[in-house]
Amino acid sequence: AQSVAQPEDQVNVAEGNPLTVKCTYSVSGNPYLFWYVQYPNRGLQFLLKYITGDNLVKGSYGFEAEFNKSQTSFHLKKPSALVSDSALYFCAVRKNSGNTPLVFGKGTRLSVIA
Amino acid sequence: GAVVSQHPSWVICKSGTSVKIECRSLDFQATTMFWYRQFPKQSLMLMATSNEGSKATYEQGVEKDKFLINHASLTLSTLTVTSAHPEDSSFYICIGGTGDSPLHFGNGTRLTVT
Repeated sequence: AQSVAQPEDQVNVAEGNPLTVKCTYSVSGNPYLFWYVQYPNRGLQFLLKYITGDNLVKGSYGFEAEFNKSQTSFHLKKPSALVSDSALYFCAVRKNSGNTPLVFGKGTRLSVIA
Repeated sequence: GAVVSQHPSWVICKSGTSVKIECRSLDFQATTMFWYRQFPKQSLMLMATSNEGSKATYEQGVEKDKFLINHASLTLSTLTVTSAHPEDSSFYICIGGTGDSPLHFGNGTRLTVT
């Protein structure tokens, strides 16, 4: 069965500093990996995904993530954080075969301090 | 583009009443609809998977007689919370897809049972 671990409940970073939100996964076969962001009382917004190809994936709002197969990780990064990046971030994995559901991590709350 | 339209976005109901949540796929045919719920400060948990024209598959611990899912067409899936109680208060999200294609998210329904 697939699973996703986000080891940090909360990440605090100063505005302008680089940020990293960690994610590791477990899935049989090759994974589809995703990052989503959720603002208070809103649905999830897609940030980026890894399906195949280049291990470094660039997404919305300046975010990027690097797929590391040997470490089974897909950490989310941004070179310079903004206060408006403060939100709840979810990593998700999906098996790359068939019509399978997304499995979400527990979420990491990012707080960017001015 | 392909969108899942989810309604209502929020609903308040009295304990013991039933609430229906609709998810319509626009500009694509959702052969599968995944239903999730999210309790406050928690992740999204898969409740059930529904395939058009067949009975939904429920995850362990989800009562199929309480959470009725109908997926009678390729463009409409509904979740009915029957005899709702305060502990059913949650954020419900539908995610639609076809085969290996990208998944499309509804914006979620905030259910509050008083």
